[in-house]
Amino acid sequence: EAQVTQNPRYLITVTGKKLTVTCSQNMNHEYMSWYRQDPGLGLRQIYYSMNVEVTDKGDVPEGYKVSRKEKRNFPLILESPSPNQTSLYFCASSLDGSGGELFFGEGSRLTVL
Amino acid sequence: GENVEQHPSTLSVQEGDSAVIKCTYSDSASNYFPWYKQELGKGPQLIIDIRSNVGEKKDQRIAVTLNKTAKHFSLHITETQPEDSAVYFCAASMRGNNRLAFGKGNQVVVIP
Repeated sequence: EAQVTQNPRYLITVTGKKLTVTCSQNMNHEYMSWYRQDPGLGLRQIYYSMNVEVTDKGDVPEGYKVSRKEKRNFPLILESPSPNQTSLYFCASSLDGSGGELFFGEGSRLTVL
Repeated sequence: GENVEQHPSTLSVQEGDSAVIKCTYSDSASNYFPWYKQELGKGPQLIIDIRSNVGEKKDQRIAVTLNKTAKHFSLHITETQPEDSAVYFCAASMRGNNRLAFGKGNQVVVIP
């Protein structure tokens, strides 16, 4: 089954404790992206990747890092999480990022205390 | 960059009635306009999209219309059913551009 898989789905952590949210897709997609969803703010793009070893900032990249060492994986790293990073995070992928369907994961709800 | 605004933020409709959500965009160069549906506890899923060379597109009970002159596009859901209750996001981007700008979302509630 074609899918985007995120882990963990739920996480409660404390300020400053580094964490990684993993994202994996099995569709051989070149383009992958991370979004955060906050009430009243919709979906905002954090980082995206056009292909392996190619990443770029989205609209709200501060406090986040990403890497794309393999085509299928695009982890989101919070080096020193802060309470304002409490949010619902979505990973998404598409064939080539040229304007086609985005496939979203089920989301990862992160709470930073 | 592109700015997409979505109205109304919440819409309640009686089952069987129609629902319309309207989005406006700022960049006249945008030419791809998808709509995503997000059910509770799930990620958004594409339900319909339209490109700027088309004025309207239908898929069963849903349709999207585009007015390039006014820079707005709308989602129409006819004969609404309880399973249509969800958050709907509109978005816009330029063809070949990897940046989709999303609206803030619209909560649609279908009252049985």
